[in-house]
Amino acid sequence: QLLESGGGFVQPGGSLRLSCAASGFTFSNHVMNWVRQAPGKGLEWVSAISGSGRDTFYADSVKGRFTISRDNSKSTLYLQMDTLRAEDTALYYCARNGGGLGVWGQGTMVTVSS
Amino acid sequence: QSALTQPRSVSGSPGQSVTVSCTGTSSDVGGYNYVSWYQHHPGKAPKVMIYDVDQRPSGVPDRFSGSKSGNTASLTISGLQAEDEADYYCCSYAGYFTLLFGGGTKVTVL
Repeated sequence: QLLESGGGFVQPGGSLRLSCAASGFTFSNHVMNWVRQAPGKGLEWVSAISGSGRDTFYADSVKGRFTISRDNSKSTLYLQMDTLRAEDTALYYCARNGGGLGVWGQGTMVTVSS
Repeated sequence: QSALTQPRSVSGSPGQSVTVSCTGTSSDVGGYNYVSWYQHHPGKAPKVMIYDVDQRPSGVPDRFSGSKSGNTASLTISGLQAEDEADYYCCSYAGYFTLLFGGGTKVTVL
């Protein structure tokens, strides 16, 4: 099971940190991802992190502004979002690799607006 | 990183078969056997229906099947049922741990 938190309303240029608490599986064994869906739009892959946390990967649209990390001792995934833009407004999901993206959370909403 | 190309919508009557296509390039769909398909009902978490092109997770009805030819992957729903009405997204591995989604296809059961 995955449970996201940390979403909210923020002004352009602001920051927000999302969390995703995992349970029911060995967290450190899995690559983890963030995927988002803007209102009325499709799914967009945002970022991924290896099981150890050593390797991180980003979509071009967020590179240099977002930072993915994980704490395997707490079975928790994070997404630090800085210099937020209106186009970052979306429902953010965390998802676990394994049989495709085999496990998804319910999402946390991020709204960037002045 | 351009999105994979899917039709905006497909429709069929109950019991019929529908196919959703997903076209990419040799750098994503054509380059790896890591295409997956997700069913998304509004307000719910996406659910994987097919992974690794043609593998069906436990619990997914066998009326869902996947295939790939060159740079195009396909999801076929045979024996369409009312509960299959949803948005469907394809997703391909694109190298270096990155993933690419399609724009989504709305499947309507007439």
